[in-house]
Amino acid sequence: GAVVSQHPSWVICKSGTSVKIECRSLDFQATTMFWYRQFPKQSLMLMATSNEGSKATYEQGVEKDKFLINHASLTLSTLTVTSAHPEDSSFYICSATPGLAGSGNEQFFGPGTRLTVL
Amino acid sequence: TQLLEQSPQFLSIQEGENLTVYCNSSSVFSSLQWYRQEPGEGPVLLVTVVTGGEVKKLKRLTFQFGDARKDSSLHITAAQPGDTGLYLCAGARGNNFNKFYFGSGTKLNVKP
Repeated sequence: GAVVSQHPSWVICKSGTSVKIECRSLDFQATTMFWYRQFPKQSLMLMATSNEGSKATYEQGVEKDKFLINHASLTLSTLTVTSAHPEDSSFYICSATPGLAGSGNEQFFGPGTRLTVL
Repeated sequence: TQLLEQSPQFLSIQEGENLTVYCNSSSVFSSLQWYRQEPGEGPVLLVTVVTGGEVKKLKRLTFQFGDARKDSSLHITAAQPGDTGLYLCAGARGNNFNKFYFGSGTKLNVKP
């Protein structure tokens, strides 16, 4: 099956700093990538949809200036948490799909990135 | 507000028992998926159902999509400790077949 990687797998940072998380599709080209966050013992909450070469579409309640998404190539999307605060501590998961949103293709999930903001 | 509600939230059973997890919504979904997630890892897709009333089987797991495509169930027969994990349903609405919204999750623990 298709493989999606995330880097780093975990990160600890000080409050006020920015953190970049990478999501890569290793053996396929991902036209669309999705970013989710998951709090302990809770489900995944969709944050944004990222299409290669265009601006990301954010879900209601997600601050686009806080969570910067860049989908610069067909194999890489990045999520930057700007001026991170302790409440941003969470498990961030990306998924990638070969097709455009709405095309019905399966999405493949990365292993997640654990962010802890002190 | 959670678009998809799962029940039960937590389930602890003995090895060999059967169980059913439910995923309910007031919305209609074009397709619905079930995932299993281990702690500290991303979710792994188990099945996708797209037709109302559809039933799919995966070894000891049976998945059903409601006739009205608003609900789904996952039934596990003779549960094993390896089935332990977080089970998530996720639904796609309208034409966004691969933009999925996840359910609230069911944490299953199967004791040996």
